[in-house]
Amino acid sequence: GENVEQHPSTLSVQEGDSAVIKCTYSDSASNYFPWYKQELGKGPQLIIDIRSNVGEKKDQRIAVTLNKTAKHFSLHITETQPEDSAVYFCAASPGGYQKVTFGIGTKLQVIP
Amino acid sequence: NAGVMQNPRHLVRRRGQEARLRCSPMKGHSHVYWYRQLPEEGLKFMVYLQKENIIDESGMPKERFSAEFPKEGPSILRIQQVVRGDSAAYFCASSTTGPETQYFGPGTRLLVL
Repeated sequence: GENVEQHPSTLSVQEGDSAVIKCTYSDSASNYFPWYKQELGKGPQLIIDIRSNVGEKKDQRIAVTLNKTAKHFSLHITETQPEDSAVYFCAASPGGYQKVTFGIGTKLQVIP
Repeated sequence: NAGVMQNPRHLVRRRGQEARLRCSPMKGHSHVYWYRQLPEEGLKFMVYLQKENIIDESGMPKERFSAEFPKEGPSILRIQQVVRGDSAAYFCASSTTGPETQYFGPGTRLLVL
């Protein structure tokens, strides 16, 4: 089955700096890669996703990149703000009726 | 359009009791997923259901755990004879077609005394 590894497990940045979270996956059949943000006491919220036919996708201050050859994908947050502080999860799925496998999560702290 | 709803939000049970967790998917969503999250850990897939069918239950413990998604009404995750190790946050997610683009509920925090 799919195995998703995520690092770092914790990340502290100064407000205004950039944050990068990296993930690797094992199943070459995976073609859908969502990212979720989980605030304290709440359920995960989908913030951006990317499919394997695309190398990069941007949405305002967040961007995701995908390297299919290396089986790497990353989340980039620019101009971080205190409200970006949360746990971020990467995930991968082969699509169809195959389940989504999540990484362990990265706790991001943005220091004002 | 209401999001995914879960109830109760908090549930306390004593060892040996039963826990029933409910999930109402978003309107128009016929696919439901259950995940378990232990403190400081990620989301562990438990089961994937479509109306009246179990699609994938590879993450469900073999004993004491069951799930259903009937034609009418919410999806139910049932844990019989709870043990302290069952204490966790249980999240439900739903989607329109297949596991992509899942929307999560707020979770049920189960505490077993």
